[in-house]
Amino acid sequence: DAGVIQSPRHEVTEMGQEVTLRCKPISGHNSLFWYRQTMMRGLELLIYFNNNVPIDDSGMPEDRFSAKMPNASFSTLKIQPSEPRDSAVYFCASSFLRSGNTIYFGEGSWLTVV
Amino acid sequence: GQQVMQIPQYQHVQEGEDFTTYCNSSTTLSNIQWYKQRPGGHPVFLIQLVKSGEVKKQKRLTFQFGEAKKNSSLHITATQTTDVGTYFCAGKENRDDKIIFGKGTRLHILP
Repeated sequence: DAGVIQSPRHEVTEMGQEVTLRCKPISGHNSLFWYRQTMMRGLELLIYFNNNVPIDDSGMPEDRFSAKMPNASFSTLKIQPSEPRDSAVYFCASSFLRSGNTIYFGEGSWLTVV
Repeated sequence: GQQVMQIPQYQHVQEGEDFTTYCNSSTTLSNIQWYKQRPGGHPVFLIQLVKSGEVKKQKRLTFQFGEAKKNSSLHITATQTTDVGTYFCAGKENRDDKIIFGKGTRLHILP
């Protein structure tokens, strides 16, 4: 099993630019989560999907953030326009509900906005 | 909304000493999970507790779930350098599939 695959692994971008993070969940998993990790706030749940449908996006910080899941094997998290305070590690994770919700994390996308 | 608090935030121990991290939820949980994140890595699932008062062991790690299903602990006996990392608890309520993580306890081992 390839695990959850995220890209890019590292991105440095200038303030105001659009950033798109990509995720391929584990095949067969029906839930997908986007988390953001910073030293100050720890692991924050941004949004999660069940069967490709967004269920809870209350963690999305503001309108600059958007997430989509067009099919069961792909999701994107977009930040437009990006700001320096968006610098963080963004983790995508997936799970299969019937397994008790064990979450499998990708290796993360390390974003730096300068 | 649901909150999961974890203490301490940081812990430095001498190699061979024991270590404990505590997790408290503002609401009753259906289950609690524990994850470990090595420096520079991603969180990796360790264990899940479901039953009230449940205790599970993994070698030197002991996990407990409180009777009220609102708190949990992870205890490591005789720490080793390989235990270095951040330990997260994550709680799930009955009503939905959202899993909320605590802020984690960062364990540093002094040789």
